[in-house]
Amino acid sequence: GENVEQHPSTLSVQEGDSAVIKCTYSDSASNYFPWYKQELGKGPQLIIDIRSNVGEKKDQRIAVTLNKTAKHFSLHITETQPEDSAVYFCAASIGGGANSKLTFGKGITLSVRP
Amino acid sequence: DAGVIQSPRHEVTEMGQEVTLRCKPISGHDYLFWYRQTMMRGLELLIYFNNNVPIDDSGMPEDRFSAKMPNASFSTLKIQPSEPRDSAVYFCASSPFSPGIEQYFGPGTRLTVT
Repeated sequence: GENVEQHPSTLSVQEGDSAVIKCTYSDSASNYFPWYKQELGKGPQLIIDIRSNVGEKKDQRIAVTLNKTAKHFSLHITETQPEDSAVYFCAASIGGGANSKLTFGKGITLSVRP
Repeated sequence: DAGVIQSPRHEVTEMGQEVTLRCKPISGHDYLFWYRQTMMRGLELLIYFNNNVPIDDSGMPEDRFSAKMPNASFSTLKIQPSEPRDSAVYFCASSPFSPGIEQYFGPGTRLTVT
């Protein structure tokens, strides 16, 4: 089955700097890659996703890039703010199939220092 | 629009008691998922439904766990009898298109079994 790994497990950046969170996946058939943000005491929130037919997707201060050859994808957050502090989860699936499932990474804790 | 609704938000019970967690998915979503989150195991998929029918319950830990979806707007996850190792945050999620794409999570129920 699919295996999704995230590195590093924690990341600390200064407010205003950029943060990059990386994930690797194992199943070359995976074609859907979402990122979730989980704040303390809340459920994971879908913040951006990318499909394998594109290499990059942007939404304001966040972007996701995908390297299918290397089987890794990254979340980029620019001009970080204290409210970006949270746990970020990546996931992968063979999206669209009737039996597809999301496989989640363990999560990375991002801390933005004021 | 209302997101996924879960109740209760917190539940504290004694070992051996029955626990029932409730979920209302986003209207129009055909797929409903139950997850468990712990520090050790991360996010684990327990079971998911398509159009109220259970499709994959391979993640249900044991016979003490059961889930039902009597209609498109309501699902329950029951643990009977509960044990301290069931302590975790339980999330319900729903998806409009496919089990592997665009899952939207509820706020979760924090269960503590003493």
